[in-house]
Amino acid sequence: EAGVAQSPRYKIIEKRQSVAFWCNPISGHATLYWYQQILGQGPKLLIQFQNNGVVDDSQLPKDRFSAERLKGVDSTLKIQPAKLEDSAVYLCASSPSGRAPTSTDTQYFGPGTRLTVL
Amino acid sequence: GDSVTQMEGPVTLSEEAFLTINCTYTATGYPSLFWYVQYPGEGLQLLLKATKADDKGSNKGFEATYRKETTSFHLEKGSVQVSDSAVYFCALNSGGSNYKLTFGKGTLLTVNP
Repeated sequence: EAGVAQSPRYKIIEKRQSVAFWCNPISGHATLYWYQQILGQGPKLLIQFQNNGVVDDSQLPKDRFSAERLKGVDSTLKIQPAKLEDSAVYLCASSPSGRAPTSTDTQYFGPGTRLTVL
Repeated sequence: GDSVTQMEGPVTLSEEAFLTINCTYTATGYPSLFWYVQYPGEGLQLLLKATKADDKGSNKGFEATYRKETTSFHLEKGSVQVSDSAVYFCALNSGGSNYKLTFGKGTLLTVNP
C-alpha cells in the first residue's frame, strides 16, 4: 500500500513570496491533516479535513494560509505572503475512512515539506 | 487544554544500553496515547500506541504502558541498537470535536556503537 505522498520535499523562498504544498493521502482515507513542525518542537495541527469538509482550522493563520481538498482526495496548503516565522516542516497525515474518526485511529504521515523563508 | 511533556534531550547511549524516555500528559476524558518515531530525513512513523488504561503497547522491542493514575506513558527498550537513533515523539488524541494529535517536543536519541 502506498503511503502519504507530499511534494515538494524542500522549498526555499524569500519573505512575502507565496508557496504551495501538495499532499496525496493513502487511498481510501477520508480524514486528512496538515501539521506544522517548527524546529525543536512537536508538530502542531493547522487544519483537518473530513472528506471535502473542514473539521478544524482554528490554528490556521487565515490571513496568510489557505488549504483546500478538492474531491475529497488530494489537498493543497498555500502560504501567501510568507513570513520568516513560517520556516518549518509541513506534514500531511491521513487516517482510515469508512467510519467517523475516533481517538484511537492511527494517523499516517508523509515525509513532509521543509520550507525555508529567507 | 491537552498537553504532553516529555523528557528533554538529547539522550546519548551506548549500544545494548537500557532506554527510558519519560512522557506525562494532561488531557480531558480518556485519551489514546502514541509514540511516534522520526528517523533522519523521514516522516513520522507510528511506533506503538495504547488506547485505554493499563494497556501496554509494544513494537520492535519498545514498550510503553498507559498509566492513568500517574498520567504517564514512558517509552522503554531493554537493549538499544545504533539503528534506533532517531527523534521520539509522545502524543495523545483525546477526541472531542476533532481528532488531532497533541505532541510533545520530541527527544533526540543517539546510540553509539
